[in-house]
Amino acid sequence: DIQMTQSPSSLSASVGDRVTITCRASQSISNYLNWYQQKPGKAPKSLIYAASSLQSGVPSRFSGSGSGTDFTLIISTLQPEDFATYYCQQSYSTPQTFGQGTKVEIK
Amino acid sequence: EVQLLESGGGLVQPGGSLRLSCAASGFTFSSHVMSWVRQAPGKGLEWVSAISASGDTTYYAGSVKGRFTISRDNSKNTLFLQINSLRAEDTAVYYCAKPNLEYQLLSVYFDYWGQGSLVTVSS
Repeated sequence: DIQMTQSPSSLSASVGDRVTITCRASQSISNYLNWYQQKPGKAPKSLIYAASSLQSGVPSRFSGSGSGTDFTLIISTLQPEDFATYYCQQSYSTPQTFGQGTKVEIK
Repeated sequence: EVQLLESGGGLVQPGGSLRLSCAASGFTFSSHVMSWVRQAPGKGLEWVSAISASGDTTYYAGSVKGRFTISRDNSKNTLFLQINSLRAEDTAVYYCAKPNLEYQLLSVYFDYWGQGSLVTVSS
């Protein structure tokens, strides 16, 4: 199975901050990397697919990059509604594994 | 509008069984591979199982293989997950999830998720 490792596991940030979350795969997954946002009690929501493609309706302050084994999610200017947990997921092979999540909290 | 509505969760004793359902609408259900993803309380997301569009091929995470059975009824636009020999570590919210592309298991992302169905395994 491909292991997905996110860092950090949690972070505290202020509104307006730039936030960077990284995701590393245990083997190359090309660009088959997706990012989801999850708020408490809710289902995950797609943010970024194929490493860098922004899902329709998602604000442009979210961006993704990377290929192979190393990927990054950036929130350029953190907004109050962005406080949530973020997950990466690989869709290169089965099982389609998720990272352990990064919780973005209010400083 | 795409909708995925899970049902069938509840409290079950260790060793027991449960059948989850996911009623789909708003898209061509019979053309999509469908998946189950679970989330234990306070934990991350875990892909559990998937089934081909026709239902003839199934896929499982190692942690559930042999105990879980995924199936579908394309005539009723419904996805199922039969869970047997339940363990405390199976306690989780179970989501059904739809991929963005037809007929593909991989190279996709989940564009729609259900609201989840809570399974609690406890004596």
